[in-house]
Amino acid sequence: DAGVTQSPTHLIKTRGQHVTLRCSPISGHKSVSWYQQVLGQGPQFIFQYYEKEERGRGNFPDRFSARQFPNYSSELNVNALLLGDSALYLCASSLIARGLTEAFFGQGTRLTVV
Amino acid sequence: ELKVEQNPLFLSMQEGKNYTIYCNYSTTSDRLYWYRQDPGKSLESLFVLLSNGAVKQEGRLMASLDTKARLSTLHITAAVHDLSATYFCAVDMENYGGSQGNLIFGKGTKLSVKP
Repeated sequence: DAGVTQSPTHLIKTRGQHVTLRCSPISGHKSVSWYQQVLGQGPQFIFQYYEKEERGRGNFPDRFSARQFPNYSSELNVNALLLGDSALYLCASSLIARGLTEAFFGQGTRLTVV
Repeated sequence: ELKVEQNPLFLSMQEGKNYTIYCNYSTTSDRLYWYRQDPGKSLESLFVLLSNGAVKQEGRLMASLDTKARLSTLHITAAVHDLSATYFCAVDMENYGGSQGNLIFGKGTKLSVKP
């Protein structure tokens, strides 16, 4: 079984540019969440999508947006990149079931903004 | 504000020794997760704790949850070098105005096991 896959694995962008990160969840999982992990910190929640609808949004500026497609894959978009956006971006796939939501993480996209 | 606090943040251990990592959280939650992260890698799920008094063990690691005290522990028994990694606990935000599956993470405990 394929796990959570993210692309690209590494990315270098210039300040002010736009970036799109992609995530394919585990087959059968309808929930995708995005997290930002700055070096030396724990992951911070950005968005959750379930059945193509936004279910949660963390404390991030409007430059961050996301969407989920009919096949449950997801994109995270970041506009007007800042140096502080440099981080590991993690996608988590969940099977939302009563009483249990275990999140499985992809390998991440390492974004460097120069 | 929902907070998840881990301590210690850094832990250097000798092989063969025992130690406990603590995770305190500030809201009611009956779902707590432990993850492991190796340098430059993603998060690996270790334990899912779903109820008060839950205890789970895998190899040299044992996790427990006390929802009344809002405390989870990760106990390491007879540490070996392969356990060197950063360990995160995370709490589900469902009872804090979030949605099931939205996780708040602690800052992590960086464990180094030395021979």
